[in-house]
Amino acid sequence: GAVVSQHPSRVICKSGTSVKIECRSLDFQATTMFWYRQFPKKSLMLMATSNEGSKATYEQGVEKDKFLINHASLTLSTLTVTSAHPEDSSFYICSAGGPGAGVSEQFFGPGTRLTVL
Amino acid sequence: QKEVEQDPGPLSVPEGAIVSLNCTYSNSAFQYFMWYRQYSRKGPELLMYTYSSGNKEDGRFTAQVDKSSKYISLFIRDSQPSDSATYLCAMKSGAGSYQLTFGKGTKLSVIP
Repeated sequence: GAVVSQHPSRVICKSGTSVKIECRSLDFQATTMFWYRQFPKKSLMLMATSNEGSKATYEQGVEKDKFLINHASLTLSTLTVTSAHPEDSSFYICSAGGPGAGVSEQFFGPGTRLTVL
Repeated sequence: QKEVEQDPGPLSVPEGAIVSLNCTYSNSAFQYFMWYRQYSRKGPELLMYTYSSGNKEDGRFTAQVDKSSKYISLFIRDSQPSDSATYLCAMKSGAGSYQLTFGKGTKLSVIP
């Protein structure tokens, strides 16, 4: 299957700082990328969908000014958590889909664990 | 009623047992059904992908879809400790759509 990487895998930051998480498709062009959030013992919660070169579409209840998403190229999307607070601590997972990845399949990155102190 | 219901478990079975994991759904527009396996602190990986009703087998894994009952299942034969993970069902309506609706996931432990 197609490979999606995320960086960093784990980040600890102080409250009030901003954190950027990168999601890369390594061997295919990702026309669409998704960002999910996952709390312990809970399912994946879709935060936003981004198409390359377009503004992200955010799910209801997700603050677009707090979770900035940029999908500037066919292989890279970034999620920036601005002015992070302890309640933003979570497991963030991206996924990607596009030509070469299989028809309309999403391939997931390994996730980034964010801890805000 | 949530769109996709999945018992979160946990489910604990002895090694070698047959495992049955299930999801029910309410949206009759769903046509494509997937099972993902997620190890602790890792992203989900696609296990099985099926279209409409019927069975699909891949090694020790069998996926079943019963659209009339809006019920899908994943069977794992001869379960191994390495199968210990959370299993998420997911589904979507259109072939050209990437948007997935996930179940909560069932945490499975296979005891040696």
